[in-house]
Amino acid sequence: EAGVTQFPSHSVIEKGQTVTLRCDPISGHDNLYWYRRVMGKEIKFLLHFVKESKQDESGMPNNRFLAERTGGTYSTLKVQPAELEDSGVYFCASSQDKGANYGYTFGSGTRLTVV
Amino acid sequence: GNSVTQMEGPVTLSEEAFLTINCTYTATGYPSLFWYVQYPGEGLQLLLKATKADDKGSNKGFEATYRKETTSFHLEKGSVQVSDSAVYFCALSDRSGNTGKLIFGQGTTLQVKP
Repeated sequence: EAGVTQFPSHSVIEKGQTVTLRCDPISGHDNLYWYRRVMGKEIKFLLHFVKESKQDESGMPNNRFLAERTGGTYSTLKVQPAELEDSGVYFCASSQDKGANYGYTFGSGTRLTVV
Repeated sequence: GNSVTQMEGPVTLSEEAFLTINCTYTATGYPSLFWYVQYPGEGLQLLLKATKADDKGSNKGFEATYRKETTSFHLEKGSVQVSDSAVYFCALSDRSGNTGKLIFGQGTTLQVKP
């Protein structure tokens, strides 16, 4: 089966611009997660979708970040306007079951650089 | 709250050396524990897992045992190879709120030299 696909793989934008990241989960996976790793620190949870509904968005840093999952398929994460501290690697993951007992499948990540 | 602490890196070893990467955790309840690996240019891959105390996860020569009494999940490998060079992340599942989200450590970079 195809894995979790993220694009772009890299994005360099100027401060104040808008960037949209996309994640295509494994087909049939209702659960979709976004995570972020900033400046070599720990990977932090951003939010969790079950189908098209946001189950938990407690990790979203502020209202400059907007995540959507229209139709319960692919998801987008928009940052508007981007700030320097938003630079990092954004990971998407999907799973069939909600619980993390067995782990998820992660994408390769999008490396975002805000200059 | 729940948290994971990993040993600082980078860790540099010669090929065939013994590897230990320490990981300790703080959690309420009984989380599942994981090691993920990120090879250069690739995404995160699940390396191994353990879902309850005293379980041992193993894969590709790596092992880790879920130690409830010491709240640890140290990663070990008896003989590392150059191809094991990667960033290793320890993680636990946060079952509060029933979202299944993972709490990660800060990652440990392993460099294996020939």
